[in-house]
Formats: sequence, C-alpha cells, structure tokens
Amino acid sequence: SQKIEQNSEALNIQEGKTATLTCNYTNYSPAYLQWYRQDPGRGPVFLLLIRENEKEKRKERLKVTFDTTLKQSLFHITASQPADSATYLCAPDTGRRALTFGSGTRLQVQP
Amino acid sequence: SQTIHQWPATLVQPVGSPLSLECTVEGTSNPNLYWYRQAAGRGLQLLFYSVGIGQISSEVPQNLSASRPQDRQFILSSKKLLLSDSGFYLCAWSQVAEGGEQYFGPGTRLTVT
Repeated sequence: SQKIEQNSEALNIQEGKTATLTCNYTNYSPAYLQWYRQDPGRGPVFLLLIRENEKEKRKERLKVTFDTTLKQSLFHITASQPADSATYLCAPDTGRRALTFGSGTRLQVQP
Repeated sequence: SQTIHQWPATLVQPVGSPLSLECTVEGTSNPNLYWYRQAAGRGLQLLFYSVGIGQISSEVPQNLSASRPQDRQFILSSKKLLLSDSGFYLCAWSQVAEGGEQYFGPGTRLTVT
C-alpha cells in the first residue's frame, strides 16, 4: 500500500542554522509533492509545490528537492529563525483528487 | 480575496449526541472542498471531499457524513457521536482538481465526553 513517512521525532536546531526535513514515500510515483506548515491549533498553510520534472524549487529561505529515484523530498530552511518553529507536513500526489498528508515533523529553532 | 470560515470554533458534546459542523468559502466559485480530522499529536486524516454540489466522496467508513447543499458550503454531520470522534476538524478548499494547493480554515476543536 502507499505509504508516506516523515520523521516523527522533533528536530531541534540553533537559530541561523539550516533545517532539513525529510519526506519518504513508497509504492507509488507522485507527479508532484506539496509542503505545508502547521502551527499549534491552526490549519496547515501551503508553502511550496514541486513537480516530478523539477529537481529543486526555492522560495525565499525555503528550498525543496524531489528525488524520484530515492522516492524522497527534502525541505530546507536556511538561516532558520525561532519563528520557523512549527510542524511541517509533506503531501505527495497519490493520483486522486485529494491530498494525503504525512504525519509531519516538528521543528524547534532555539534562539 | 478568498476566505474560508468554519464554525463553531470549539464544541463539547456528549456521546450519542448529533453533530453539525459548517464550512463556507468566499471569493471563489466551484471550489473542491475537503473535511479532515486531526487527532491529538497525529497527522491529518481525510474524511470527505467534494468536487461539486451534491458530489461527495467518502474516504473512511464511519459514523460521519458530509453534504454540499450549495457551491461554497460544506457540512459535516453525525447522528450519534462516539468518543473516538474527538479531534480537530479542518475544512479546506482548492481551485484545481489535481496539483492545486489547499487552503485550510481555522478548524473546530471537538471534544466528545
């Protein structure tokens, strides 16, 4: 069956460092993959979408890569700030009209 | 600009009572609409999605149902709540059937006692 995996352990980093979050998927080949940010008690907010023919996509301090051979997407936040602390969700396309979200990785940036 | 509303924000209901959560979208037409549930500390579980009025797809068989009586209105209901129905309910919309980013509402925190 299709499976989406994100590191369930929280990622703790120091302010100014680069945070790297991982999204792995198995048993399917998504045409695109989305990343969202969720703050406690709030709905997720869309950040970036990357398509299978794009190796990398950037938006300000954010960078997403998509490796269809490894079946993996990496989400990077450079020059991280305490305000970047949140849970980050990946959502690979599963061939349906609705997204399936990973369980998310919580990022904590220490000042 | 588009906005999405959900109400109520919080709800405490006893087991066996009915449920009705409402979601409305403004500033767009013919959106795709979604209901998700998020249990404490867990990921998002897709419950229902709709691509048009009266068109509902159910993802998880359970005691919940959804309806779309108007283009920009999506309702989540239950005739009898279970303890396991507690969670954070999120409504979302997207404009494109595939690949479109989703925009989420503020959510409803439901506690079944």
